[in-house]
Amino acid sequence: AQSVTQPDIHITVSEGASLELRCNYSYGATPYLFWYVQSPGQGLQLLLKYFSGDTLVQGIKGFEAEFKRSQSSFNLRKPSVHWSDAAEYFCAVGANRDDKIIFGKGTRLHILP
Amino acid sequence: DTGVSQDPRHKITKRGQNVTFRCDPISEHNRLYWYRQTLGQGPEFLTYFQNEAQLEKSRLLSDRFSAERPKGSFSTLEIQRTEQGDSAMYLCASSRGALEKLFFGSGTQLSVL
Repeated sequence: AQSVTQPDIHITVSEGASLELRCNYSYGATPYLFWYVQSPGQGLQLLLKYFSGDTLVQGIKGFEAEFKRSQSSFNLRKPSVHWSDAAEYFCAVGANRDDKIIFGKGTRLHILP
Repeated sequence: DTGVSQDPRHKITKRGQNVTFRCDPISEHNRLYWYRQTLGQGPEFLTYFQNEAQLEKSRLLSDRFSAERPKGSFSTLEIQRTEQGDSAMYLCASSRGALEKLFFGSGTQLSVL
């Protein structure tokens, strides 16, 4: 069965600094990978997804993620964070075309002014 | 597109009582998911449907939990003989198809006293 791990429970960065949130998955074949964001009091919103093709995918709000098969990783990046990026970020994976989507435990992002 | 709606928003019940939650997905979405989320954790997969067919139920889920999606439209999640450990936010999400973008409802916050 597929699984997804987000090693960092909390990350703190200064406003304007770059960001990288880690995500590792466990599955033999090429997974379907997603990043969702949950802002305080808001529902989960899709940032980006990867199915196949170019391993660097662009998402909304200036986020991007890179799929690295050799490292079983799908890390989320942003070159310059804004105070409004403070939220909880979840990596999610689907094992194959008809499978369910499961979520990691999340990384809470804190932004320093 | 009115979004995914869940009812009720909040439910307070006494231990041992049965509760039922309702989810109305986006009308053309044929896939529907139920997740459970506790504070500081990611959404935990409970079950999912393709139209009216329940494709999988989490093996970690007690037999006290049951879900239906009659006619492939709205869905209900019932918890029988509630326990304090059932206290959580119950999230419903729908998508156009397998592994497509999930649209989440606002959730039902269950408190078991």
